[in-house]
Amino acid sequence: AQSVTQPDIHITVSEGASLELRCNYSYGATPYLFWYVQSPGQGLQLLLKYFSGDTLVQGIKGFEAEFKRSQSSFNLRKPSVHWSDAAEYFCAVGSHSGNTPLVFGKGTRLSVIA
Amino acid sequence: DTGVSQNPRHKITKRGQNVTFRCDPISEHNRLYWYRQTLGQGPEFLTYFQNEAQLEKSRLLSDRFSAERPKGSFSTLEIQRTEQGDSAMYLCASSPAGETQYFGPGTRLLVL
Repeated sequence: AQSVTQPDIHITVSEGASLELRCNYSYGATPYLFWYVQSPGQGLQLLLKYFSGDTLVQGIKGFEAEFKRSQSSFNLRKPSVHWSDAAEYFCAVGSHSGNTPLVFGKGTRLSVIA
Repeated sequence: DTGVSQNPRHKITKRGQNVTFRCDPISEHNRLYWYRQTLGQGPEFLTYFQNEAQLEKSRLLSDRFSAERPKGSFSTLEIQRTEQGDSAMYLCASSPAGETQYFGPGTRLLVL
């Protein structure tokens, strides 16, 4: 069965510091991988996705993620965090066929301090 | 392209009442998904449609829940005889077949 683990429930970083949010997945075939961000009381906004090809993918708002098949990981990174990045971040896995719904992790809440 | 819209954004109801939510997908997206998100959790899949056909339902979707997508456009999710455990954010997403899902703002339900 598909599953996604986000080991960190809550992370606090200083504004301007670098960020890495961890995501590990379990999937029987080549996965589609996604990172979404959710502000309080809002829906989910797509940050970036990995389907195939280059394992380092760039997204919106200066985020990037690296797919590592050997580690079953898809960690999200940003070199310099802004106060507006404070939100909940969700990693998700889906199938290449698109015939199955997304499976999400429980999310990582990011707090940014001055 | 105006994005996925959901109405209402918030709903407060008393236990035992019926509620209905609406989702308007991005035009020409033939797939539409419903998810439920409770506090501190990621979204959990409920059901999805390809055009007007409901292709899959989660075990989370009890017989009090029903979803429709007449004519393959907007979709409705109805909860009958609501229970306090139904309190959650209900999220709708749409996609072209096999591609990225785009989410709406959600409907937050509170059952008193």
